[in-house]
Amino acid sequence: DIQMTQSPSTLSASVGDRVTITCRASQSISGWLAWYQQKPGKAPKLLIYKASSLESGVPSRFSGSGSGTEFTLTISSVQPDDFATYYCQQYNSYSQTFGQGTKVEIK
Amino acid sequence: EVQLVESGGGLVQPGTSLRLSCAASGFTFDVYAMHWVRQAPGKGLEWVSGISWNSGSIGYADSVKGRFTISRDNAKNSLYLQMNSLRAEDTAFYYCAKEKLGVPGTFDIWGQGTMVTVSS
Repeated sequence: DIQMTQSPSTLSASVGDRVTITCRASQSISGWLAWYQQKPGKAPKLLIYKASSLESGVPSRFSGSGSGTEFTLTISSVQPDDFATYYCQQYNSYSQTFGQGTKVEIK
Repeated sequence: EVQLVESGGGLVQPGTSLRLSCAASGFTFDVYAMHWVRQAPGKGLEWVSGISWNSGSIGYADSVKGRFTISRDNAKNSLYLQMNSLRAEDTAFYYCAKEKLGVPGTFDIWGQGTMVTVSS
């Protein structure tokens, strides 16, 4: 199985900061990479798909990049509503795995 | 409104069975692949199982293979997860999720989840 490793596990940021989360795959996943946001007690929400495509309705301050085994999620100017846990997820041959999550906290 | 509503969770003893259901509304259910994803309390997300629009392709995580069975009834706009031989490590919130059209393994709509607790 393909393993997904996110870093950091926790990130402290102030409103307005630029935030970057990294996700590394144990082998190439050819761009089938998604990013989700989850708030406590809520279901995850799709932010980015196919590594860099912004889901409809998601603010443009969110962006994704990368290919092969290394991917990043960037929040250009973090807002109060963005403090949450973020997960990357890969798809390969009808199997998918999530990263362990990155919690973005208020500094 | 596009909506997924899970039901069927509860407290069960190890070794017993439970069947989860997911009722879909607000979209053409029989066009989309559907999945189950779980999350143990305080832990991360784990994909459990997925099924194609016509049930022709099905996949399971290794952790549930041979114990769980996914199915769907397109006439009833419903997705199911039959869980047998339940273990303590199956305790989690179980989410039903719709796959984004043309983007395999990517989930654009999620239900609110149903809690399964396996304990004696």
